[in-house]
This record gives sequence, structure tokens and C-alpha cells, in this order.
Amino acid sequence: NAGVTQTPKFQVLKTGQSMTLQCAQDMNHNSMYWYRQDPGMGLRLIYYSASEGTTDKGEVPNGYNVSRLNKREFSLRLESAAPSQTSVYFCASSEGRGRNQPQHFGDGTRLSIL
Amino acid sequence: AQSVAQPEDQVNVAEGNPLTVKCTYSVSGNPYLFWYVQYPNRGLQFLLKYITGDNLVKGSYGFEAEFNKSQTSFHLKKPSALVSDSALYFCAVSPGGGGYNKLIFGAGTRLAVHP
Repeated sequence: NAGVTQTPKFQVLKTGQSMTLQCAQDMNHNSMYWYRQDPGMGLRLIYYSASEGTTDKGEVPNGYNVSRLNKREFSLRLESAAPSQTSVYFCASSEGRGRNQPQHFGDGTRLSIL
Repeated sequence: AQSVAQPEDQVNVAEGNPLTVKCTYSVSGNPYLFWYVQYPNRGLQFLLKYITGDNLVKGSYGFEAEFNKSQTSFHLKKPSALVSDSALYFCAVSPGGGGYNKLIFGAGTRLAVHP
């Protein structure tokens, strides 16, 4: 079972370039999330989509946009990349918005901004 | 402010010995508590959760965790550590309220199990 698939796995960008990170899940989950992971800081929520057709800001949304393309896919876009956005990005999904439901994570996209 | 603390950056344990990875939290409402594990170059994997009921919950790979409401703690434990348990462990809390499946993560604790 694929679970949550993220592409690409690695990317190097120059400051000011744009890029879209792709995420797809095959578990028929309703809710999807984008996080960034920085050393010593755990995971911080960038955006989430509680259900198809809705998106909302998380803790650190500045500099990012998202699109919930359909129930399976949730993309994250950097319009003008900055060195501060160098991080590992994780997409996750959960069956619904209920607090008792574990989130399932992809293997991440390692992004470096020069 | 709502937060999760994992006071140890790294825990070192000999194989076969018991292990504990500590977690304390400060959130509003009744918290739902989770532990996740991350292996190198992989995403987080769910280990176990506490929602309600028995304070000792059991999860994957022989791990268990004890919820202590008075101490606002949710420590991860395993009776006998394996070298393959070496990984990065995250405690996460879903606080009361909010309209979505919100998780607040600790900074992570690296577990090193030595042969």
C-alpha cells in the first residue's frame, strides 16, 4: 500500500524561484495537512484541508499557498522561495477531522533554497 | 500558550534494558495524546495514542505509554530495548476545542540503543 506519496523527494532552488510540492494519498482520507520540520523544533503546521474543497492556515502559512485538487491530492506552492524556507516538508492525511484519528505521513520532501 | 515538552534531546540505552522517553504537555481542555516514531529519511509513523480510559496504553513494536493527568505527562516506555528501536520519537497532543484534527508536536527525542 502506498499510503501518502510526496514528490519530489529532494529539490534545490535558488532564491526567488517558485515550486510546487505534490502530495497524494490513496487511503480515501478526508483531511490532509502540510508540515515543515526544522531541527530542534518538531513539526509545524503550514496549511490543512479538513475536507475536499476547503483549506485553512496553520501555524506558519506565510510564503506558502495550497490547493486541494481533489480528495486524493493536496499541493503546496512556494511562489518566491527564500532561504528561510529551507526545510523538510511533510504531507499527512487523516480519515477525518476527529481528534482521535492518527495522521499518516509521507516520507517528506527535502528542500534547499540557496 | 499550548505546548509540548520533551526534556531530553537524546536518550541512550543498552540493548535489553528498559527505556523511557519523557513528554509533558500544557494544553487546554481534555488532551488526546500521541507518540510517533521517525526513522532516517522517512516520515513519522504512528505508535500509540491515549484518548480516554486506562492510563496505560499499548502500541506498536512493544511500546507502551502512561498517561498521568496530575503531572500532565505521557511518557513512552518499553520493557526491553532493541537496537532497531533507535530513531527519533515525537510526542504530540491534540488540545480540546478547534475545528480540525490539530496536533502540537514536541521537538523530538533521539533514542540510541547500544548493543
